[in-house]
Amino acid sequence: NAGVTQTPKFRILKIGQSMTLQCAQDMNHNYMYWYRQDPGMGLKLIYYSVGAGITDKGEVPNGYNVSRSTTEDFPLRLELAAPSQTSVYFCASSLQGSSKNIQYFGAGTRLSVL
Amino acid sequence: AQSVAQPEDQVNVAEGNPLTVKCTYSVSGNPYLFWYVQYPNRGLQFLLKYITGDNLVKGSYGFEAEFNKSQTSFHLKKPSALVSDSALYFCAVRDPTASKLTFGTGTRLQVTL
Repeated sequence: NAGVTQTPKFRILKIGQSMTLQCAQDMNHNYMYWYRQDPGMGLKLIYYSVGAGITDKGEVPNGYNVSRSTTEDFPLRLELAAPSQTSVYFCASSLQGSSKNIQYFGAGTRLSVL
Repeated sequence: AQSVAQPEDQVNVAEGNPLTVKCTYSVSGNPYLFWYVQYPNRGLQFLLKYITGDNLVKGSYGFEAEFNKSQTSFHLKKPSALVSDSALYFCAVRDPTASKLTFGTGTRLQVTL
């Protein structure tokens, strides 16, 4: 059982470069989420999706973009990387919604922007 | 708006002793409350949740949490700590009318021999 798979695990970017963080889930979950985790700050929601073709902003969406063309995949795009985007990024998924249902997390992508 | 506070950055406890990790919340309606655990270099894992019903909720690995509406708290507890319980613990809350979880800043639990 793969669950939520994130790639890559680590990445170093130069300022101004772009990249896509990949996230895939094989649990047929309709909801998917992207969080960033900074030391002492907990998790902040970047974007989320309630189903294929539907996305919405979270708390900290600036500098990021997402798409949801399939139920399984929810990539996160950084267009012009900045040092403030140095963080650990987690993708999660849940069935129907986070109210009563559990979010399942990937192992994370550690990103450094230098 | 919904929010959650974890007042302790770190909790230290000796193996075999009981542990408590504190969490307080603020929501406009009846809360949905969750505890997650994060081991080093891993994603968060679900421990337990409170939606409705019995105020004492039992979860994975012998953990439990008590919902206290009057004190707006949802403290995580375990009667006898293990060294392997050492990890980062997150409390999360959701207002039934909202669509997203709000996580606390996390509490690092250190269990020593």
